[in-house]
Amino acid sequence: EAQVTQNPRYLITVTGKKLTVTCSQNMNHEYMSWYRQDPGLGLRQIYYSMNVEVTDKGDVPEGYKVSRKEKRNFPLILESPSPNQTSLYFCASSFGGLAGYLFFGPGTRLTVL
Amino acid sequence: AQRVTQPEKLLSVFKGAPVELKCNYSYSGSPELFWYVQYSRQRLQLLLRHISRESIKGFTADLNKGETSFHLKKPFAQEEDSAMYYCALTGGSNYKLTFGKGTLLTVNP
Repeated sequence: EAQVTQNPRYLITVTGKKLTVTCSQNMNHEYMSWYRQDPGLGLRQIYYSMNVEVTDKGDVPEGYKVSRKEKRNFPLILESPSPNQTSLYFCASSFGGLAGYLFFGPGTRLTVL
Repeated sequence: AQRVTQPEKLLSVFKGAPVELKCNYSYSGSPELFWYVQYSRQRLQLLLRHISRESIKGFTADLNKGETSFHLKKPFAQEEDSAMYYCALTGGSNYKLTFGKGTLLTVNP
């Protein structure tokens, strides 16, 4: 089944404890992206990747890192999480580098205490 | 800079009534516009895109470059249309996809 998967789905952590949220897609998509969804703010893009080893900042990249070593994986790294990073995170991918035609993952709900 | 504005956070209509979800955008070049929908407890999914001029689940949206709008319309709302709707924009060679803040549509029986 073609899909985007994220792990973990739920995570509660403490300030400063490094964490990684994994994202994987099995559709051979070139484009992958991370978004955070907050009440009243909608979806905001954190980082995106056009292809392997090609990444760029979205609108809210501060406090996050990404890597794209393989086409199928695009992990989101929080080196030192803070409470303002408590949010619902979505990974998405699309074919042909077309940013608009996104397939979304199920979301990861992160709470930073 | 590209920007998407959805002026209504909440929209409530009765079943069978027409519905219009507003979307305005700001972009200096030639935009591509999309509507995404998120049903309760489901992941976001693409509803429709302006370039294909399609009708999905009875919804249509027309790009009006003069008014910089891409409103989503349906002549007769159904209860299963209740969801969060997001308008999104990307430029031609710009790989950033910018979303509006979303409109929560509730269709009452």
